[in-house]
Amino acid sequence: QQQVKQSPQSLIVQKGGISIINCAYENTAFDYFPWYQQFPGKGPALLIAIRPDVSEKKEGRFTISFNKSAKQFSLHIMDSQPGDSATYFCAASMRGSEKLVFGKGTKLTVNP
Amino acid sequence: DGGITQSPKYLFRKEGQNVTLSCEQNLNHDAMYWYRQDPGQGLRLIYYSQIVNDFQKGDIAEGYSVSREKKESFPLTVTSAQKNPTAFYLCASRGDLSEAFFGQGTRLTVV
Repeated sequence: QQQVKQSPQSLIVQKGGISIINCAYENTAFDYFPWYQQFPGKGPALLIAIRPDVSEKKEGRFTISFNKSAKQFSLHIMDSQPGDSATYFCAASMRGSEKLVFGKGTKLTVNP
Repeated sequence: DGGITQSPKYLFRKEGQNVTLSCEQNLNHDAMYWYRQDPGQGLRLIYYSQIVNDFQKGDIAEGYSVSREKKESFPLTVTSAQKNPTAFYLCASRGDLSEAFFGQGTRLTVV
């Protein structure tokens, strides 16, 4: 119930391509879904987040798509760049709880 | 600059030794967290605290202890009961806007 399942574990794309990372959850009480980006040896940083009242949110090259009925959300990185090479984590939390549950991460490599 | 400061960046522990990892924030956040990161395991919650003098166990609290005597500080002690402490430890804080801010981490190694 508290898990967030993330796939794939690793992803390799060419420069200019689209990177897609998927997450699924079971607990319908989750109401906040952020994505974090982490570079080696650094702490994660918030990339983009969505709440279930919208189906899509876009910030620059990064888009979250949210499917409430399927209990899935995904991160799309358009025009992927070598500088996007990092580990990406999805997460979820619910109103009234301070717990933030993370997926296991996706290591993205963008080849030049 | 507002943010979260973790220290030290690298820490070495001998077998049977307790060590304490420091986490300080100046974001005026009520909630603070400790996560452990191992390759392929994502971020696993050790402890979290919603207010001063109160904290809750996360998913992997065994062998760890925390205190929250001040709003700004949430130190983590890795005790000798933690049999596999080598990992990257991340502290985070969270305010009303839901975004969690992370420190730069402490890499703990058993020698």
